[in-house]
Amino acid sequence: EPEVTQTPSHQVTQMGQEVILRCVPISNHLYFYWYRQILGQKVEFLVSFYNNEISEKSEIFDDQFSVERPDGSNFTLKIRSTKLEDSAMYFCASSRQGARETQYFGPGTRLLVL
Amino acid sequence: GDSVTQMEGPVTLSEEAFLTINCTYTATGYPSLFWYVQYPGEGLQLLLKATKADDKGSNKGFEATYRKETTSFHLEKGSVQVSDSAVYFCALTEGGGTSYGKLTFGQGTILTVHP
Repeated sequence: EPEVTQTPSHQVTQMGQEVILRCVPISNHLYFYWYRQILGQKVEFLVSFYNNEISEKSEIFDDQFSVERPDGSNFTLKIRSTKLEDSAMYFCASSRQGARETQYFGPGTRLLVL
Repeated sequence: GDSVTQMEGPVTLSEEAFLTINCTYTATGYPSLFWYVQYPGEGLQLLLKATKADDKGSNKGFEATYRKETTSFHLEKGSVQVSDSAVYFCALTEGGGTSYGKLTFGQGTILTVHP
């Protein structure tokens, strides 16, 4: 069964460094998402991406964040200058269509900013 | 804005006990409702969903009914197993219009089932 994959599973970085989190969505899906979960808190929506552009983003997704689909398979989240409060689990998800369709999630990348 | 509230956890049950995890929501439109489950070390998996009032979603013995009048989507299972131990998330998406499927999650409920 097709699945969403994410790399790396864990990343430790120093404050102020850039990180890139990678995701490979399910191949025939058209909508892509990033969510994050700070330890002990809710899963929060960051951004949705369709047709090679951002379709919706949350207040969390400020200028430090960017997303890209550099080729036909990868979907990346870049944090330009990490802060301590960026430490969280980051989940990628994809769906065939947007709106009410089921989103399929990857296993997540645990990011720790020191 | 939209919000989802789940019952406080953690929940600890013995095998074969009855499970209820409460979920209520606030939405401006007419949302679709979901239950996702996260097993240890894994990502979020869809457990069940319902897209309109009075729909019942079901999967693996779990059920939830979309109750528009009480804005609720409570998860139930008649007889839990040790393998059901996981974190359960209630979520909604508005769908349609300008929405591209953003999910709004509850805080998650940790379920532990003992033999």
